[in-house]
Amino acid sequence: GAGVSQSPSNKVTEKGKDVELRCDPISGHTALYWYRQSLGQGLEFLIYFQGNSAPDKSGLPSDRFSAERTGGSVSTLTIQRTQQEDSAVYLCASGAGVGETQYFGPGTRLLVL
Amino acid sequence: RKEVEQDPGPFNVPEGATVAFNCTYSNSASQSFFWYRQDCRKEPKLLMSVYSSGNEDGRFTAQLNRASQYISLLIRDSKLSDSATYLCAVNSYNTDKLIFGTGTRLQVFP
Repeated sequence: GAGVSQSPSNKVTEKGKDVELRCDPISGHTALYWYRQSLGQGLEFLIYFQGNSAPDKSGLPSDRFSAERTGGSVSTLTIQRTQQEDSAVYLCASGAGVGETQYFGPGTRLLVL
Repeated sequence: RKEVEQDPGPFNVPEGATVAFNCTYSNSASQSFFWYRQDCRKEPKLLMSVYSSGNEDGRFTAQLNRASQYISLLIRDSKLSDSATYLCAVNSYNTDKLIFGTGTRLQVFP
């Protein structure tokens, strides 16, 4: 079946602009996660959803970052007033439930000029 | 100290060699352990979950040592196609997030 999909695959934006990144999880997966990976770095947890609620948003770097999930499916990660240090690959993963294997999407490469 | 640590490598090995990676974790409450493989400019893909009793999948063997708080990955008979970065990931019972190591780079040469 279809895996996790993310859009856009690449995004170039100017410093100070807002961006929205989208994630479509695997159908039926109740858990959804956002991570980011900077060049040459490991994956950094941002936030996760169980259904539409976010039990853990401890990894969001600042209040410029927010995420929502609607209908227990699609999630959007929004970065307001982007900064150059926000440049990274933003990865979404979904899982069948708490503690289950997480499957990753292809990521969105964000470049802030 | 990072919560999950790995030797970044690179490990350069010839085809056919056996290579082992370790990953240490600091949270003794950790419950679930995974090895992911990540190719250059690609997303991580699950390689193996790691079970308490150890588990094997073809040329790959994963072990968990709770007393010393590390997991290991053994690759036998290395292939050129095994060249990638191997990420270990750990989560704990009170949170569903995965904590990743920074990855170990493996390069298999002919």
